[in-house]
Amino acid sequence: DIVMTQTPSSQAVSAGEKVTMSCKSSQSLLYSENKKNYLAWYQQKPGQSPKLLISWASTRESGVPDRFIGSGSGTDFTLTISSVQAEDLAVYYCEQYYDTPWTFGGGTKLELK
Amino acid sequence: QVTLKESGPGILQPSQTLSLTCTFSGFSLSTYGMGVGWIRQPSGKGLEWLANIWWDDDKYYNPSLKNRLTISKDTSNNQAFLKITNVDTADTATYYCARILGAAPFDYWGQGVMVTVSS
Repeated sequence: DIVMTQTPSSQAVSAGEKVTMSCKSSQSLLYSENKKNYLAWYQQKPGQSPKLLISWASTRESGVPDRFIGSGSGTDFTLTISSVQAEDLAVYYCEQYYDTPWTFGGGTKLELK
Repeated sequence: QVTLKESGPGILQPSQTLSLTCTFSGFSLSTYGMGVGWIRQPSGKGLEWLANIWWDDDKYYNPSLKNRLTISKDTSNNQAFLKITNVDTADTATYYCARILGAAPFDYWGQGVMVTVSS
């Protein structure tokens, strides 16, 4: 199985701050034939189901604010929130869909400082 | 508009079989490239992928659940199903179904259904 490791597990932030969180996979998620990274980021707010923010490591879903930026390739990925808003407080999960079993990271919880 | 909604028994006893239904709208599981997956989340914990079913009836399972899973679909009624046999307390979780389009990740999720296994 591909192991997904997210750091930090939690982070205290202030509104307006720039935030970065990391996701590392135990093997490359870059498919050589199409040069795509099979890595997604989800946001889960309390009491809600996960929401897809970013697919293919860096492609924002429709309607996702441009302050959410996904980057990275291979085994190292980053989700950056350029200026955190109060509504961004949530748990963020990365997920690999390169190979079954699809696996998720343990999550990074953004909390208010 | 794509929507999915899960339904299940709420509570069941150890060793029983858990049967879950995902009723969806806004897409068809007979469309090329379409799929539905099941994911679960114990309270306060992370996400675990369970199984996917595709438009062509191809199925993929998480091997960690050791052949306890069966996924199926009813294309005519826009439903997907998941059965988990021989449940125990470790299967207590919120269960989600979600749509997959092509080789992409889960783009639409249901609200989830809580399942408690308790004697």
